[in-house]
Amino acid sequence: GAVVSQHPSWVICKSGTSVKIECRSLDFQATTMFWYRQFPKQSLMLMATSNEGSKATYEQGVEKDKFLINHASLTLSTLTVTSAHPEDSSFYICSASSLGGANVLTFGAGSRLTVL
Amino acid sequence: GENVEQHPSTLSVQEGDSAVIKCTYSDSASNYFPWYKQELGKGPQLIIDIRSNVGEKKDQRIAVTLNKTAKHFSLHITETQPEDSAVYFCAASIQWPSGGSYIPTFGRGTSLIVHP
Repeated sequence: GAVVSQHPSWVICKSGTSVKIECRSLDFQATTMFWYRQFPKQSLMLMATSNEGSKATYEQGVEKDKFLINHASLTLSTLTVTSAHPEDSSFYICSASSLGGANVLTFGAGSRLTVL
Repeated sequence: GENVEQHPSTLSVQEGDSAVIKCTYSDSASNYFPWYKQELGKGPQLIIDIRSNVGEKKDQRIAVTLNKTAKHFSLHITETQPEDSAVYFCAASIQWPSGGSYIPTFGRGTSLIVHP
């Protein structure tokens, strides 16, 4: 079945630094990738939708300059948290939708970001 | 836009009992309803889905029912086991015949606890 690899699985960084999270579709081409943020014991909050080769579409309230998304190929999307602060600490999850097919959404394993 | 309500938020059962999680949706155009299981510290995994042209779907101990008229769908887990303990999310979305990508709306999640 479809597999989405997300890296790193966890990261600890100092306040003010930038952190990049990668999301790769391993065995299929992902026309669209989604980035979610999840707080403890809460649902998935959609941050942005990225389509290969075009700018990401951000949800209301999500700062595009803070959360930079790049979808350079049909198998890779990256989320960069710029100038991270403790309030950015969260669980970030990507998901990918395949080109054509049944459009089943496949999720990555998530990345736990802790900003000190 | 679509609004998905999910109940209960927490469900505690004894091993061997059945568990039922219910969701309602608001957009009558929604035609695809996946269910995801999220274990602690991991990304959501698709466990079963149903499309609006089907009223019920079963996969071993898991079944999903859909009532389009009432706009609600439910997840049924029979003979629960401790490894079924996780957070379950329902979602609703629209899939186009052309196979275009979709953005699902998620419920808030149900924490299922199966006691041995």
